[in-house]
Amino acid sequence: EAGVAQSPRYKIIEKRQSVAFWCNPISGHATLYWYQQILGQGPKLLIQFQNNGVVDDSQLPKDRFSAERLKGVDSTLKIQPAKLEDSAVYLCASRTSGVRETQYFGPGTRLLVL
Amino acid sequence: GEDVEQSLFLSVREGDSSVINCTYTDSSSTYLYWYKQEPGAGLQLLTYIFSNMDMKQDQRLTVLLNKKDKHLSLRIADTQTGDSAIYFCAENGSGNTGKLIFGQGTTLQVKP
Repeated sequence: EAGVAQSPRYKIIEKRQSVAFWCNPISGHATLYWYQQILGQGPKLLIQFQNNGVVDDSQLPKDRFSAERLKGVDSTLKIQPAKLEDSAVYLCASRTSGVRETQYFGPGTRLLVL
Repeated sequence: GEDVEQSLFLSVREGDSSVINCTYTDSSSTYLYWYKQEPGAGLQLLTYIFSNMDMKQDQRLTVLLNKKDKHLSLRIADTQTGDSAIYFCAENGSGNTGKLIFGQGTTLQVKP
């Protein structure tokens, strides 16, 4: 079974530029999460999707971050415009429905904003 | 509120046991997890424990849960150099969304 795929793996941009990340979850996983992991910290949830609907986006900085999962499979996370403090690893995770099910994480996209 | 705390660093000799500790605040968490993160990699689920259990053993890993004190520990027996990584404790918090609240991670250094 293929794992969670993310691209690109690395991205370097200048502040005020835009950037987009892509995630392909494990086949059949209805729930998809985007986490932000700043260096030296644990991951923090940005947004959670159930199929193509948003379940929780309370921690998403909506003035600059947006995310979508139009067909309930792949998802994209966009930052526009980027700030220096957005430098982090962006992790995508997925799981099947049900609280008992565990999350599987992708390798992450490492973003550096200069 | 939801908060998870871990010590930042642990150094052990190869072959010794490692114990990584974690405290959490949300007593309504139903599951508690341990994840491992190697350099440049994503998070790998090591093990998890249901909140009505006080111990779970899985090969070299032993998880102890003290629900009264909201304290979770991960013991790694016969620690190997390949166990060097960052270990994250996480809880699933209140509600049934499945979102995870992570600690800041404990860096385990295993010396040969």
